[in-house]
Amino acid sequence: DVKVTQSSRYLVKRTGEKVFLECVQDMDHENMFWYRQDPGLGLRLIYFSYDVKMKEKGDIPEGYSVSREKKERFSLILESASTNQTSMYLCASSLPGREKLFFGSGTQLSVL
Amino acid sequence: DQQVKQNSPSLSVQEGRISILNCDYTNSMFDYFLWYKKYPAEGPTFLISISSIKDKNEDGRFTVFLNKSAKHLSLHIVPSQPGDSAVYFCAASDRRSYNTDKLIFGTGTRLQVFP
Repeated sequence: DVKVTQSSRYLVKRTGEKVFLECVQDMDHENMFWYRQDPGLGLRLIYFSYDVKMKEKGDIPEGYSVSREKKERFSLILESASTNQTSMYLCASSLPGREKLFFGSGTQLSVL
Repeated sequence: DQQVKQNSPSLSVQEGRISILNCDYTNSMFDYFLWYKKYPAEGPTFLISISSIKDKNEDGRFTVFLNKSAKHLSLHIVPSQPGDSAVYFCAASDRRSYNTDKLIFGTGTRLQVFP
């Protein structure tokens, strides 16, 4: 059974902290994505990666960075967390040329 | 600028009746569309898709209709079941662009199916 695992289900951080959100997939997918979900705004793409060490900005990359050192792992980094980054963060993966994404269960991040 | 819009944030339908979820898009370059379903505390899961060369795709109780001239698609669920209660997201992609695997999602519609 295919799986995308996000390291934390809930996370509470303070303003200004550096935050790491980890995502691991076991499907050998080349593509990996980070989305955030907010009420009334749907899912918005933050960053994505087509291959190891490759990254591309999505629609809302400001305040975020990513790291992909291994094919199965894609990390989202909040360099200095702010309250407007309180959100549900969803990681996904897919095969090249396939729009069917497989999502993790999400990380609910609260920045106080 | 929201390229994919779901104007109904919520929908309530009786069990056994038809559920119709709507989605509009503004980018005429989109040529592939998908619907995802999301339960609380879970990630979205793929439901059904349609290419722009078709106007209808069916999978069991789920049918997606595409009207390219109106830039509109809809998801029909017949008959609706309580287990269909979830948030539904439509998504679109432009397969001819460089970032062919990038999906643009709508805002979501919360469907509630009551007995």
